[in-house]
Amino acid sequence: SAVISQKPSRDICQRGTSLTIQCQVDSQVTMMFWYRQQPGQSLTLIATANQGSEATYESGFVIDKFPISRPNLTFSTLTVSNMSPEDSSIYLCSVENRGGNEQFFGPGTRLTVL
Amino acid sequence: AQSVSQHNHHVILSEAASLELGCNYSYGGTVNLFWYVQYPGQHLQLLLKYFSGDPLVKGIKGFEAEFIKSKFSFNLRKPSVQWSDTAEYFCAVLIYNTDKLIFGTGTRLQVFP
Repeated sequence: SAVISQKPSRDICQRGTSLTIQCQVDSQVTMMFWYRQQPGQSLTLIATANQGSEATYESGFVIDKFPISRPNLTFSTLTVSNMSPEDSSIYLCSVENRGGNEQFFGPGTRLTVL
Repeated sequence: AQSVSQHNHHVILSEAASLELGCNYSYGGTVNLFWYVQYPGQHLQLLLKYFSGDPLVKGIKGFEAEFIKSKFSFNLRKPSVQWSDTAEYFCAVLIYNTDKLIFGTGTRLQVFP
């Protein structure tokens, strides 16, 4: 398994601002994923981030709103841009194991937008 | 589109009661199946998984799940729950040869002493 950390663990932000969430893994991984867990709901995949290529976004998510960086095999960032209260969620990153058949999750970033 | 259904949204049990949480998915091909647990204030953890072989899989903390292919189901069971099992439980499906993990809506389990 992989050890994943996220920063910040939580934040309270004002409407219209942006927040960048960092995800660090203790080993090199090819695939990293970003999920959103809205209050009382399940996890929804935002995008898949491979090192050295543009992130692939799921339906309903766009790069302008959720730009992602993947500068190396152990790190990724997700930015939530021009935030509104509807963006209040827990944002989680995950990584895939070498076999490609299991994902491990970070602790999440709890974002509240006022 | 593929989807995962968890029919029990909120389950309340007393300690020592038996537990069964339903999970059904809609996809006719090969899948990998997972149950994740999220304890209050903690991050998502893998409870158990099924890839192939024996359809009855055992996980941590006395949990088990049975894959019934004909019913597209992967129900989670525990014969005797404990107060410490209070958590949110998520069923998830990984479509074979894709990286896309699809989650169910989750089941909130409350166990009272």
